[in-house]
Amino acid sequence: KQEVTQIPAALSVPEGENLVLNCSFTDSAIYNLQWFRQDPGKGLTSLLLIQSSQREQTSGRLNASLDKSSGRSTLYIAASQPGDSATYLCAVRGTNSGYALNFGKGTSLLVTP
Amino acid sequence: GAVVSQHPSRVICKSGTSVKIECRSLDFQATTMFWYRQFPKKSLMLMATSNEGSKATYEQGVEKDKFLINHASLTLSTLTVTSAHPEDSSFYICSARSSGRTGRETQYFGPGTRLLVL
Repeated sequence: KQEVTQIPAALSVPEGENLVLNCSFTDSAIYNLQWFRQDPGKGLTSLLLIQSSQREQTSGRLNASLDKSSGRSTLYIAASQPGDSATYLCAVRGTNSGYALNFGKGTSLLVTP
Repeated sequence: GAVVSQHPSRVICKSGTSVKIECRSLDFQATTMFWYRQFPKKSLMLMATSNEGSKATYEQGVEKDKFLINHASLTLSTLTVTSAHPEDSSFYICSARSSGRTGRETQYFGPGTRLLVL
């Protein structure tokens, strides 16, 4: 059974810092991996999707990498802003799970002014 | 981007009553919808996969008679929590997979429904 782990569980940084969120998964048989953002009491916003054949994806200040063989992904946020404060979720779609996603517990990020 | 709505956004009910949550894809047809449940500070856990016109597929440990799912059209799936109890209080999120889109594959998530059972 696929297990998705995110480290750290919580992170607090001052505004302007670059930061890295980590995600690991136990079964490398995946179609893709996604990073989501969730604000308190809200739904999910997809940030980046990396197909299993890709190594990284970039969108603005966000860069996500994928090392499928080692079961790891990172989300890099450059020049963090207070508006980046949210919970970041990593999710993988396995080759044996249809289209359903397996989520990590998330990293709660607080960017202080 | 594609939009998925949920209704209601928040519901409070008494123990023993049934609650229906709707999930709608507003600008695309969704052959498959998913229902997730999220407890505070926990991950989203898949409850069931709902395919239009057929019975839902439930994950292990999810009671199909308690969480009734109906996917009657390509734009609507409903989750009914029957005889709700306080332990059913949670954040329920649906997602929809478009049948007509190729290439970048993703699910579109609804804003969630907060259920509180007193």
